Amino acid sequence: GENVEQHPSTLSVQEGDSAVIKCTYSDSASNYFPWYKQELGKRPQLIIDIRSNVGEKKDQRIAVTLNKTAKHFSLHITETQPEDSAVYFCAASKGTSGTYKYIFGTGTRLKVLA
Amino acid sequence: GAVVSQHPSWVICKSGTSVKIECRSLDFQATTMFWYRQFPKQSLMLMATSNEGSKATYEQGVEKDKFLINHASLTLSTLTVTSAHPEDSSFYICSARGFEDRPSSGYTFGSGTRLTVV
Repeated sequence: GENVEQHPSTLSVQEGDSAVIKCTYSDSASNYFPWYKQELGKRPQLIIDIRSNVGEKKDQRIAVTLNKTAKHFSLHITETQPEDSAVYFCAASKGTSGTYKYIFGTGTRLKVLA
Repeated sequence: GAVVSQHPSWVICKSGTSVKIECRSLDFQATTMFWYRQFPKQSLMLMATSNEGSKATYEQGVEKDKFLINHASLTLSTLTVTSAHPEDSSFYICSARGFEDRPSSGYTFGSGTRLTVV
């Protein structure tokens, strides 16, 4: 069935360093890949997303890259700050309709050490 | 932006009782609502997809009779955990996307409900 693998499960970086989280999806029909940030006890918040017709997207300190051939996509956070500490989830979906479900990765707990 | 209001934020109930969780889309019409379950330090597991005016579609392994979903209007979907047991204790969260959202806007999540069954 559809599956999204996410690595690493935990990641600790020094403040100011970069963090990279990687995801692999199984369904080649997937064409939409959002990333969510979830702080403890709170709702997931969309931080960036990418469609399959784009290889890279950047928003200030956050960027996402997509390799359709390898079915990989990655989240890059530069100049990390303590407030970036949270759990990050990748997801894969297909279609543009709001009826398509997301398959979430297992999450990465990022700790930014001051 | 799109807002999904979820209530209650937490609930403690006795084993054998039923609990209803509500999700309302406040400023948009949610044709589809997704219901997730999240165990501590784990990912979001999709339980079911509810479409307004029709029966919900449940993921494999999710008991339809235990997790009753109703999506009677474009702004309200409910999840009722029937005859709750301690193993049903979890964080339940809904998400939705409306008619006019841009394709790349992603789904909006409710604030979640922490259910504890004692």
